[in-house]
Amino acid sequence: GAGVSQSPRYKVTKRGQDVALRCDPISGHVSLYWYRQALGQGPEFLTYFNYEAQQDKSGLPNDRFSAERPEGSISTLTIQRTEQRDSAMYRCASSVASGGTYEQYFGPGTRLTVT
Amino acid sequence: GDSVTQMEGPVTLSEEAFLTINCTYTATGYPSLFWYVQYPGEGLQLLLKATKADDKGSNKGFEATYRKETTSFHLEKGSVQVSDSAVYFCALSDKSGATNKLIFGTGTLLAVQP
Repeated sequence: GAGVSQSPRYKVTKRGQDVALRCDPISGHVSLYWYRQALGQGPEFLTYFNYEAQQDKSGLPNDRFSAERPEGSISTLTIQRTEQRDSAMYRCASSVASGGTYEQYFGPGTRLTVT
Repeated sequence: GDSVTQMEGPVTLSEEAFLTINCTYTATGYPSLFWYVQYPGEGLQLLLKATKADDKGSNKGFEATYRKETTSFHLEKGSVQVSDSAVYFCALSDKSGATNKLIFGTGTLLAVQP
């Protein structure tokens, strides 16, 4: 079946612009996670959805970052007024449920470059 | 807070050599432990996992044993191939919380030469 998809795969934007990153999870997966991965580092947690409810946003670095999952499926991560330090790979993952034993399936990521 | 520490790379080996990538963790609860792999140009894939102490995860010839007494989850393979060249990430998921977010190490680049 289809895996997790993300779009766009690459995004170059100018400082100060807003960007929206999309994640389409595996059908039927209840849990959805966003992570950010800087070059040479492991992914870092940003936010978590259980169905449409954003249950944990503790990893969002500041109020320029927001995320939504209005119908419990597709999710959008929005970064307002982008800064160069926002440049990174943004990864989405989904799992069938939120238990710690359930595998998180990752999408290919969106490479964001802020110039 | 919870954290994962893994050995720095790059690790360069010849084909058929024995591989060990060290991983230790710090956690207040009873985490599940994972190894993810990222092949060149691809996304993260789960390689193996262990959900409780003394469990051994295994896949594709790779193994790791959940050692609570040493808080470790070292990745091993008896005979590496060129196709194993990738970045390997150790991670934990704290089952006591509702989120079960993954906490990753910094990754270890493995380069296998023919």
